[in-house]
Amino acid sequence: EDQVTQSPEALRLQEGESSSLNCSYTVSGLRGLFWYRQDPGKGPEFLFTLYSAGEEKEKERLKATLTKKESFLHITAPKPEDSATYLCAVRDAGGTSYGKLTFGQGTILTVHP
Amino acid sequence: EAQVTQNPRYLITVTGKKLTVTCSQNMNHEYMSWYRQDPGLGLRQIYYSMNVEVTDKGDVPEGYKVSRKEKRNFPLILESPSPNQTSLYFCASSLGATSNQPQHFGDGTRLSIL
Repeated sequence: EDQVTQSPEALRLQEGESSSLNCSYTVSGLRGLFWYRQDPGKGPEFLFTLYSAGEEKEKERLKATLTKKESFLHITAPKPEDSATYLCAVRDAGGTSYGKLTFGQGTILTVHP
Repeated sequence: EAQVTQNPRYLITVTGKKLTVTCSQNMNHEYMSWYRQDPGLGLRQIYYSMNVEVTDKGDVPEGYKVSRKEKRNFPLILESPSPNQTSLYFCASSLGATSNQPQHFGDGTRLSIL
């Protein structure tokens, strides 16, 4: 069974204070790892897809990296508008439920001015 | 604008009264899926559809039905809702199930079953 664990559950940062969010996963074969951002009252918004160990993707202050067991979302010099819940999800290459995303429980990020 | 639209956004109803949550996407996506989001449990898949007339169970299908008669629509049906189905529901779609195109989500439907 696919499993995704995110840590920490909540993270409070001062504006400009860089940090990282962790996503550990267990799958029989990784088809893709996805990062989403979710604002209150909204659906998850796609950020990145990572396919293989060693891959990195960047978008503004966010950088996602991938190893064989985990992914990190690095936030550099965050701003208050980066406050949101960040979700990690994996898609298994095998199994019978094609397309299914298995989500972690998310990290609630709060950035104070 | 490319989007996934769910209706209603909020609904309070009573046990046993059949309800339908509609989901429509305008991106010509083949794959559609329903999730529920509960505190401490994250997002869990209820049902998914690979294409028109093709649907299958996700992790938590009990008490739900779906249909896919048209490519753009994927309604979620609760024939006899119970309080344990009180939750936040999301519909999502993507280009295909076997591609690595990301899933796009609607803004959610908050259901309260009394």
